[in-house]
Amino acid sequence: AQKITQTQPGMFVQEKEAVTLDCTYDTSDPSYGLFWYKQPSSGEMIFLIYQGSYDQQNATEGRYSLNFQKARKSANLVISASQLGDSAMYFCAFLTNAGKSTFGDGTTLTVKP
Amino acid sequence: DVKVTQSSRYLVKRTGEKVFLECVQDMDHENMFWYRQDPGLGLRLIYFSYDVKMKEKGDIPEGYSVSREKKERFSLILESASTNQTSMYLCASSFPVVGGDNQPQHFGDGTRLSIL
Repeated sequence: AQKITQTQPGMFVQEKEAVTLDCTYDTSDPSYGLFWYKQPSSGEMIFLIYQGSYDQQNATEGRYSLNFQKARKSANLVISASQLGDSAMYFCAFLTNAGKSTFGDGTTLTVKP
Repeated sequence: DVKVTQSSRYLVKRTGEKVFLECVQDMDHENMFWYRQDPGLGLRLIYFSYDVKMKEKGDIPEGYSVSREKKERFSLILESASTNQTSMYLCASSFPVVGGDNQPQHFGDGTRLSIL
């Protein structure tokens, strides 16, 4: 079975600075996907970024980038130039070939003004 | 925009009741999912469905069942509700996945269920 680990229950970052949220996974599948979602206090889940296991380049979406190190089985989310609106819970998720997702426990990010 | 609609935002039921949580999506997605979210435990998959009348157990199916009679609707059923099923329930949908490709799940707003 797949396992996703987010080791940081809570993180703080100063506004306008960059922050890295850690995610490691464990799988023997050669083909898989990794996602990051944001959940603000209002509760909705917002898709941020995706990385496929065969992708050669690290994914980027605006201020979000994914530091994918396949050999280390890590897929860390980097948020550049943090904004107050980035304060939220962030989830890393692993997607199998069969379409089943496993989520990490989440990291609560607080951006300080 | 994809819309995933859960029938109730808040629900209060009593122990032993049969509870139905409904989810409807409007994007013709083949895959639909039910999760529960508890503090410190992230999202845990209860059941998922990749086609009408098809279902697969997730990580915590005990005490739950599901129904998918139409492509757009996926129902979660608590056969006999218990207090340990008090939780936030999230429904999601997506297109089929091939080779772990980029098919993010789109989530509903969640149902906060309290069992008294």
